[in-house]
Amino acid sequence: GAGVSQSPRYKVTKRGQDVALRCDPISGHVSLYWYRQALGQGPEFLTYFNYEAQQDKSGLPNDRFSAERPEGSISTLTIQRTEQRDSAMYRCASSPRGQGAYEQYFGPGTRLTVT
Amino acid sequence: RKEVEQDPGPFNVPEGATVAFNCTYSNSASQSFFWYRQDCRKEPKLLMSVYSSGNEDGRFTAQLNRASQYISLLIRDSKLSDSATYLCVVNGTGGYNKLIFGAGTRLAVHP
Repeated sequence: GAGVSQSPRYKVTKRGQDVALRCDPISGHVSLYWYRQALGQGPEFLTYFNYEAQQDKSGLPNDRFSAERPEGSISTLTIQRTEQRDSAMYRCASSPRGQGAYEQYFGPGTRLTVT
Repeated sequence: RKEVEQDPGPFNVPEGATVAFNCTYSNSASQSFFWYRQDCRKEPKLLMSVYSSGNEDGRFTAQLNRASQYISLLIRDSKLSDSATYLCVVNGTGGYNKLIFGAGTRLAVHP
């Protein structure tokens, strides 16, 4: 079946602009995660949802970052007033269950470049 | 100190070699442990979970030492297709769902 999809795949934006990154998880997956990955590093946890409820947002760097998953499926990560340091690969992952440790399936990512 | 530490490598090995990667983690309360594999410019994918008693999946063997907070991955009979970055992953504080990734160890297998 279809895997996790993300859009856009590439986004170039000017400093100060807002951006919205979209994640479409595997159908039926309860949990959805957002990560940020810098070159040469592993993914860094940002936030996650079970259904529509945001369970943990401790990894969001500051209040310019927010995420929502209003209907428990598609999620949007929004970065307001982008800065150059926000440039990175943003990855979304989903897993089939809300509790316990289950395999997380990653999407292809959105490469964000802030100029 | 990083929560998950790995030797970045690269490990350059010939086909058929046995190679081992190590990882240490700082949170003694972590309960879930994994190795993920990431190919160049691709997304990470689960390679295997790591269980307390150690576990094997074909050519891959994972070990966990809770006392030393140490995880290892052994790859036997390396293939060219094993060339990738191997990410050590543990769950962080706040539950099973929050995963903490190491920076990865790069493996290059050559003919």
